[in-house]
This record gives sequence, C-alpha cells and structure tokens, in this order.
Amino acid sequence: GIQVEQSPPDLILQEGANSTLRCNFSDSVNNLQWFHQNPWGQLINLFYIPSGTKQNGRLSATTVATERYSLLYISSSQTTDSGVYFCAAPRGNTDKLIFGTGTRLQVFP
Amino acid sequence: KAGVTQTPRYLIKTRGQQVTLSCSPISGHRSVSWYQQTPGQGLQFLFEYFSETQRNKGNFPGRFSGRQFSNSRSEMNVSTLELGDSALYLCASSPAGATEAFFGQGTRLTVV
Repeated sequence: GIQVEQSPPDLILQEGANSTLRCNFSDSVNNLQWFHQNPWGQLINLFYIPSGTKQNGRLSATTVATERYSLLYISSSQTTDSGVYFCAAPRGNTDKLIFGTGTRLQVFP
Repeated sequence: KAGVTQTPRYLIKTRGQQVTLSCSPISGHRSVSWYQQTPGQGLQFLFEYFSETQRNKGNFPGRFSGRQFSNSRSEMNVSTLELGDSALYLCASSPAGATEAFFGQGTRLTVV
C-alpha cells in the first residue's frame, strides 16, 4: 500500500522565520491533505490539495502529483503555529487515510 | 454548520472493561472513519463506514468493533481493554469516498 513520509521530523524556529515542510508519497494519489494538530489533539484542516498550489494567509501548499511530493510553506511563523503537522493521502479510492509521521514545529518568540 | 462531534472527550477505564465511543459526523456526510493515535505508532486507521456498511478495516484485533447508524452517527467499541489501548481516538467524516476528511476533537482514553 501507499507509504507517506514527512521531513524534517522536528523543526525549531524563531518567530518571523519561514519554513518548508515536505511530504513524499510512494504511489499516485487522488488527493492529499495537510493538517495541524493542536495541543488538544484535534486535527485542523489546512489544505486539501491533490495537485497545484493553494494559499491561505501565511500558509501555502504545493503538490506535484507526477513527482509524488507535496510541500507546506509557513511564512513569518508565529508561536501559535507550533504543533505537529501531518500530511495524509487516501489508499486508493477510499477514505482510509495513510498519515505521515508528522513534523513537530516549535516556534519561539 | 456544526463540525464533527466526538463524545466523551476524556475517559478513564480499568483493564478488562469495555468502552463505547461516539462520533456524529458533519450533516450530510455519509462516510465516517476512525483512527487511533499513540506516541509509538502514530495515527493508524481503524475502520471506515459508509451508509451503515463497513468498507475498510485496519489491522486491529477483533476487540475493536464499530457500527454506523442510519443517521450516519457512528460508534466504536473496544472490549476487554488493555493498557496498550490507551490512546487518542479520532473520528473523521467526509461526504463520500476519497474526499476531504474533517476530524473531531477526539476522545482521549486512558486504561489503568
């Protein structure tokens, strides 16, 4: 089945810095999602991005489906951006999401 | 539009007991999936229900079961709890197959 890998596993930034998180997937996918897990455990939807580029405020994401990777860009990071970022892709045409192991981001003032 | 609602939020159970967790999906969503998150294993798929039918099941023992009702609400049950079942259980809903999934706040289960 599909495998999803994320890098880096950990990222420490000072407030105001920019960062790029990467997600590689082993097979072609119908869609790809990025989530931010808040300190209480909830997964917050960031992007639903099978291909192309999307932007939402300071965050943007790009998926290059033909090369099987997606990137999440965080600009001008804030302390509230801290947490774990996950990407996930479905196995085939199902709702079974395969998650990467996450990138733990810590932003210090 | 209300989001995905999971109840209860926190639960403490004793080894050997059983537990039932509930998930109410976003109105109009027919697909509900369950995931277990532990520090050691990450986020793992438990099962997926669509229109009251289990469509996919993850690699978990038979002690883990679930069901979906006609109003799309779903429950999952874990019998004969073990310490290793302590985890955050997350429920996701989506309109149909392979579409954007939205997660609830989770139920944090502690088995003592």
